[in-house]
Amino acid sequence: NAGVTQTPKFQVLKTGQSMTLQCAQDMNHNSMYWYRQDPGMGLRLIYYSASEGTTDKGEVPNGYNVSRLNKREFSLRLESAAPSQTSVYFCASSEAVGGGFDGYTFGSGTRLTVV
Amino acid sequence: GEDVEQSLFLSVREGDSSVINCTYTDSSSTYLYWYKQEPGAGLQLLTYIFSNMDMKQDQRLTVLLNKKDKHLSLRIADTQTGDSAIYFCAESSYNQGGKLIFGQGTELSVKP
Repeated sequence: NAGVTQTPKFQVLKTGQSMTLQCAQDMNHNSMYWYRQDPGMGLRLIYYSASEGTTDKGEVPNGYNVSRLNKREFSLRLESAAPSQTSVYFCASSEAVGGGFDGYTFGSGTRLTVV
Repeated sequence: GEDVEQSLFLSVREGDSSVINCTYTDSSSTYLYWYKQEPGAGLQLLTYIFSNMDMKQDQRLTVLLNKKDKHLSLRIADTQTGDSAIYFCAESSYNQGGKLIFGQGTELSVKP
């Protein structure tokens, strides 16, 4: 099983450009998440989707939008990229928001640089 | 808000034991987790402990939970160079609707 698949793996954007990060899971999970990882700051939640048809803001939602396209797919859009959005972005999924004994399953990340 | 704190770096010699510590603030957390992140990769779940447990052992890994002090630790016995990675603790925060809250990560360096 592939688990959680993120595309692209690497991206360089110019300030002001837009792009969409794609995420798909094949575990029939209900909940999906977008995190960003910055040195010394751990993982910070951007947006999450507790179930198909719902999305909610996390800790750092400004500058981002999301779409839960169906149960499998959850995309993250940067409308006008800024250098402060240079980061590694992780998508994750879980059976339920609470995690349970399986926790969250993570993708391998998208490394985004905004110049 | 809820907070999870870890020290940023730990260096050990191969064959020694490593102890990575974590403190958290939400006393209502149900599950606490340890994740491992190898260079250039995503986070991989290592182990979890349920909040009504004090200790959990899984091969070379021992997790200790002190609920009174809200302190979680991960002990890796006989540490190997392949254990070099970043280790994250996380709590399933009742006050955050069950969402996982992650610490900053501890970078473990294992020297031969």
